[in-house]
Amino acid sequence: GQSLEQPSEVTAVEGAIVQINCTYQTSGFYGLSWYQQHDGGAPTFLSYNGLDGLEETGRFSSFLSRSDSYGYLLLQELQMKDSASYFCAVRFRDNYGQNFVFGPGTRLSVLP
Amino acid sequence: NAGVTQTPKFQVLKTGQSMTLQCAQDMNHEYMSWYRQDPGMGLRLIHYSVGAGITDQGEVPNGYNVSRSTTEDFPLRLLSAAPSQTSVYFCASSGETDRDRSGNTIYFGEGSWLTVV
Repeated sequence: GQSLEQPSEVTAVEGAIVQINCTYQTSGFYGLSWYQQHDGGAPTFLSYNGLDGLEETGRFSSFLSRSDSYGYLLLQELQMKDSASYFCAVRFRDNYGQNFVFGPGTRLSVLP
Repeated sequence: NAGVTQTPKFQVLKTGQSMTLQCAQDMNHEYMSWYRQDPGMGLRLIHYSVGAGITDQGEVPNGYNVSRSTTEDFPLRLLSAAPSQTSVYFCASSGETDRDRSGNTIYFGEGSWLTVV
């Protein structure tokens, strides 16, 4: 089976840097994605790592270590609007090609 | 761009009633799926499809039925609604890995809030 773990809550202040970790156990691993979800909204795609290393997209960066089955999302220069839930998701190979499984989510609260 | 469109946005059902949540995507994606999200929880996969005529069960399939007659549409049917099915439902799609660079990205609909009383 597939399973992911991430912290349930993280709190930080405006302007700070925060890291949200994700560990996974999976077979047929393709890559790790991150999604942001504001209250009452739908998840939206942030980043994807198919290979080891760091991917940078503006204030957000994501890192993957396939040998450690570990990744993280790094949010810099935090803003109030970054308060949301963040989900890691594994893309993996299954009987039909590909499928996805999501972690339980990390609720980020940004304080003024 | 419409992306993934799901209806209705809000629905109240009585226990035992049946209904269908509609989902359509206009990106020619092969992969489509339905998730449910309970308050403060993550996304749990109900059913998914990798193309017309091909569907399979996810983590929580009981009480739900799906079919995929076209690439665009992937409706979710609640057979006999129960209070435990009160949740937010998201339809999603993704491209084919080898043919579409969007294969690593999931596109979500806006969600359907379902209450079963």
